[in-house]
Amino acid sequence: GENVEQHPSTLSVQEGDSAVIKCTYSDSASNYFPWYKQELGKRPQLIIDIRSNVGEKKDQRIAVTLNKTAKHFSLHITETQPEDSAVYFCAASIGYKLIFGSGTRLLVRP
Amino acid sequence: ETGVTQSPTHLIKTRGQQVTLRCSSQSGHNTVSWYQQALGQGPQFIFQYYREEENGRGNFPPRFSGLQFPNYSSELNVNALELDDSALYLCASSLGGTAFSGNTIYFGEGSWLTVV
Repeated sequence: GENVEQHPSTLSVQEGDSAVIKCTYSDSASNYFPWYKQELGKRPQLIIDIRSNVGEKKDQRIAVTLNKTAKHFSLHITETQPEDSAVYFCAASIGYKLIFGSGTRLLVRP
Repeated sequence: ETGVTQSPTHLIKTRGQQVTLRCSSQSGHNTVSWYQQALGQGPQFIFQYYREEENGRGNFPPRFSGLQFPNYSSELNVNALELDDSALYLCASSLGGTAFSGNTIYFGEGSWLTVV
């Protein structure tokens, strides 16, 4: 079936530490994997995305890796800051739609 | 700022009523998708419109319907509202076609619907 599993559901890190969120998808035809950050009461904002022809992509403190064989992709945030605290969603494309994970609540402790 | 605008931002409806939510796409984007995000969950795909035709639908009942206009703006209509319809409704636009080809999508600010 169409499914994206996301772990962990909550993550608490000390400011300056790294945070890693992992997702697994079910459909081998998925070819696009965006990550969204959602702050309380606001819309999901695209922070980084990766396509299936790329194994890794980096944008400043944020990086995403993709393992198509294992159907895994991960978000890495380095040097975390309190403003990184939010809910993060991974998603995988299936045809004309995105299937979202259940979200990870990240708390960065000052 | 994504260029995708939605209205209204907040509204309260009574169970059994009907609601219409509106979305203006980012300039040049011909594809609009609607998602429902219940509290504490990830967005769920409702349907997608491309050049005024519905070209994909998620697991939502027929009382969820939509329209896309020649200027690519869109409406989401929900009839016979139920309490579980309370959610954030997100509109997303993209430059796509009949199949999602991995084009980046941008969400609007959303419409918060509360059904009482």
